[in-house]
Amino acid sequence: EIVLTQSPGTLSLSPGERATLSCRASQSVGTSLAWYQHKPGQSPRLLISEASSRTTDIPDRFSGSGYGTDFTLTISRLEPEDFALYYCQQYLNSPRTFRSFGQGTTVEAK
Amino acid sequence: QVQLLQSGPGLVKPSETLSLTCTLSDGSLSNNHWTWIRQPPGKRLEWIGFVYYTGSTEYSPSLNGRATISLDTSKNQFSLRLTSVGAADTAVYYCARGSGRLHLWGQGTLVTVSS
Repeated sequence: EIVLTQSPGTLSLSPGERATLSCRASQSVGTSLAWYQHKPGQSPRLLISEASSRTTDIPDRFSGSGYGTDFTLTISRLEPEDFALYYCQQYLNSPRTFRSFGQGTTVEAK
Repeated sequence: QVQLLQSGPGLVKPSETLSLTCTLSDGSLSNNHWTWIRQPPGKRLEWIGFVYYTGSTEYSPSLNGRATISLDTSKNQFSLRLTSVGAADTAVYYCARGSGRLHLWGQGTLVTVSS
């Protein structure tokens, strides 16, 4: 089972600041990694897949990078609507099909 | 706007079977995978499994064979059955489209296991 560990647990920032979120996998997942934004009372929203490919309609202030075991989600300039919980998820199909999520990073307003 | 609409009971008794359904509001189930995920209170999201439109399935081994995901293409629905539930199965359950990247989610259903 691939375990994803996100850091930090909470990020306290102000609007306009840069947010850098980390996701580390217990073994290589190549680029089979996605990022989601989750707000209270809503369903998660896919932001990034294949480690760095932004979903349609996601603002370009969101970017993803990384390969193998270390991944980063960057929000270049925080907007008020960006304060939320963020999860990473791996979807590697080898050697067996299994999906797992990180424990989440909360981006909160300072 | 295409939506996934979840339905099913919010309360299930211990040892009984949890059953949830997800309906695609527009389009068809063809050429896609359809996934169930859950989030127990205070815990991370947990993958349950998925079904391909052909009917083939994959499940999380942590559920020890208790989960079944099936399709009803005539109703544009897919369903989750989880047998022999216990308190640890209390969670918000989500359906979603996709097998890896999940790009359309249902609204979520809180299912509480309690007598």
